Amino acid sequence: GAVVSQHPSWVICKSGTSVKIECRSLDFQATTMFWYRQFPKQSLMLMATSNEGSKATYEQGVEKDKFLINHASLTLSTLTVTSAHPEDSSFYICSARGPPGHSEQFFGPGTRLTVL
Amino acid sequence: AQSVTQLGSHVSVSEGALVLLRCNYSSSVPPYLFWYVQYPNQGLQLLLKYTSAATLVKGINGFEAEFKKSETSFHLTKPSAHMSDAAEYFCAVRLGTTDSWGKLQFGAGTQVVVTP
Repeated sequence: GAVVSQHPSWVICKSGTSVKIECRSLDFQATTMFWYRQFPKQSLMLMATSNEGSKATYEQGVEKDKFLINHASLTLSTLTVTSAHPEDSSFYICSARGPPGHSEQFFGPGTRLTVL
Repeated sequence: AQSVTQLGSHVSVSEGALVLLRCNYSSSVPPYLFWYVQYPNQGLQLLLKYTSAATLVKGINGFEAEFKKSETSFHLTKPSAHMSDAAEYFCAVRLGTTDSWGKLQFGAGTQVVVTP
């Protein structure tokens, strides 16, 4: 149980286009999801906290107009990278706060974004 | 503020030898601590967690960790390394302030290489 999926697993896009990444909790309801960014050989950097039915909370230094987050249902959060540029190329990972009784976060498999 | 520090960005062990990954934490409240493993181009998988119960925590794949309050440590060990243990390992602490409950603060990570 407590499985989180991400789609797509990898995406290549042209500079200036927008890309949407989906994060789904498959077998539990997740009122809170988190979006991370990971550069090669580095740790995870929290970008924002996504709460179902309300606005996302962004970490300091993260542009909320560039990284649009929508958490419209208890099982789906989306991250849209708007007007992507090569510097946005990274590995994006989502996680979900676990169901009652679980203190850990459950992570998706990640999405590799390459902007040409 | 809560944080974790992982000592050693790279660890090389021989197959069959002890694996020891070091993590020290800083926390003003009783911490929830986690060890996650990440294989290349994948998300994070929980190895084990400490949530103020038993100080010696056993996890998956033969890993265990001991919470030592006096040393503010939560080191990860495995008695006998296997080739499949080659991966990146992250120590994390769950932030406990009202506006950040549920967020994780990750260490920088330790890359484990297992040699035959």
